[in-house]
Amino acid sequence: NAGVTQTPKFQVLKTGQSMTLQCAQDMNHNSMYWYRQDPGMGLRLIYYSASEGTTDKGEVPNGYNVSRLNKREFSLRLESAAPSQTSVYFCASSPVRVEQYFGPGTRLTVT
Amino acid sequence: KQEVTQIPAALSVPEGENLVLNCSFTDSAIYNLQWFRQDPGKGLTSLLLIQSSQREQTSGRLNASLDKSSGRSTLYIAASQPGDSATYLCAVSGTDKLIFGTGTRLQVFP
Repeated sequence: NAGVTQTPKFQVLKTGQSMTLQCAQDMNHNSMYWYRQDPGMGLRLIYYSASEGTTDKGEVPNGYNVSRLNKREFSLRLESAAPSQTSVYFCASSPVRVEQYFGPGTRLTVT
Repeated sequence: KQEVTQIPAALSVPEGENLVLNCSFTDSAIYNLQWFRQDPGKGLTSLLLIQSSQREQTSGRLNASLDKSSGRSTLYIAASQPGDSATYLCAVSGTDKLIFGTGTRLQVFP
């Protein structure tokens, strides 16, 4: 039981490049989430998926897209990376309205 | 809009002290409150979850209380140890989404 896994762990992009962050969970949870963590800002919700086939915007969705590929996988895509997207990205999952479980994070630097 | 505040932002104490970390929130219509621990460069580890109908939860040396009416939660750490050094985050849930505080960075020195 690996819990929540994220790939890659680290990534450096140039401005304008695109990439997809991958997240998978093996706990059969319905809900999945993407957050970003910035110094002094805490964790902010980017997008979430309450169930397979549905996605909704969070607090800071601009510049991102998501795909809930199946119940296990939830990906986050940056179409044209900007320096303001330099951050640590966390994926999380939960059964409905119960505690959330977090992945180890992806450290992204956009130059 | 729900806002979550954690005080103090940082705390440095000698080993063995009993600690209280504070979390306050502006909207009392929450479903649950969760306390997390984050070690430097790592992900978040869930410590305690308190449902809105509960007043407190305990796990080992940790005790978390919830007072919805006043919009407050406290995390009590008994007999602190250097291994407790980390950032502690609280988060409240109104629906399926968590709103996080900015955390308390704790250092326990020998």
